[in-house]
Amino acid sequence: DGGITQSPKYLFRKEGQNVTLSCEQNLNHDAMYWYRQDPGQGLRLIYYSQIVNDFQKGDIAEGYSVSREKKESFPLTVTSAQKNPTAFYLCASSIDPQSTDTQYFGPGTRLTVL
Amino acid sequence: EDKVVQSPLSLVVHEGDTVTLNCSYEVTNFRSLLWYKQEKKAPTFLFMLTSSGIEKKSGRLSSILDKKELFSILNITATQTGDSAIYLCAVVYNTDKLIFGTGTRLQVFP
Repeated sequence: DGGITQSPKYLFRKEGQNVTLSCEQNLNHDAMYWYRQDPGQGLRLIYYSQIVNDFQKGDIAEGYSVSREKKESFPLTVTSAQKNPTAFYLCASSIDPQSTDTQYFGPGTRLTVL
Repeated sequence: EDKVVQSPLSLVVHEGDTVTLNCSYEVTNFRSLLWYKQEKKAPTFLFMLTSSGIEKKSGRLSSILDKKELFSILNITATQTGDSAIYLCAVVYNTDKLIFGTGTRLQVFP
């Protein structure tokens, strides 16, 4: 079945460690996105990529890094520079890189930094 | 500042009630408005609205957009406990910007 997968579902890390969240899609979508969700707030865009080997910062990119070496993969690294990394992270993809109208979401990764 | 505001923040109803969720927005170069339902995991897509006054319907859910007054409503009739979720509104604007509201938490009790 086509879809978006994120792993792991839950992740615990010690403060000061970098951690990488996986996002894979087999929908043949060109565009991929990373969001974080905090209690009482809407989804906020971290990074997005419209094509392989290219990505742009979203609204809250500080303390995060991404790569897009393959069309189907868009991993997100939460670095030790991210001041408040505990959150729910959602990855999404869309067919048309020029349009964010219909995005398909993965199941999410809940990151807790101890 | 571009923003999307949803109301109410939280709603508690009994099964069978009808609810109306609101989403207002202020953005430049509006393109479309999206409604999502989020249960315990990732949001699932409900509707995309681009034209004023045209109702979108799916079962007991319906939604309409007013581009003059800059808002949309999501109606759920004959609510069921399975409708309990956070309902997110998102607006696409400029070429490729997307902004979400904070959501409305709906709880339906039997």
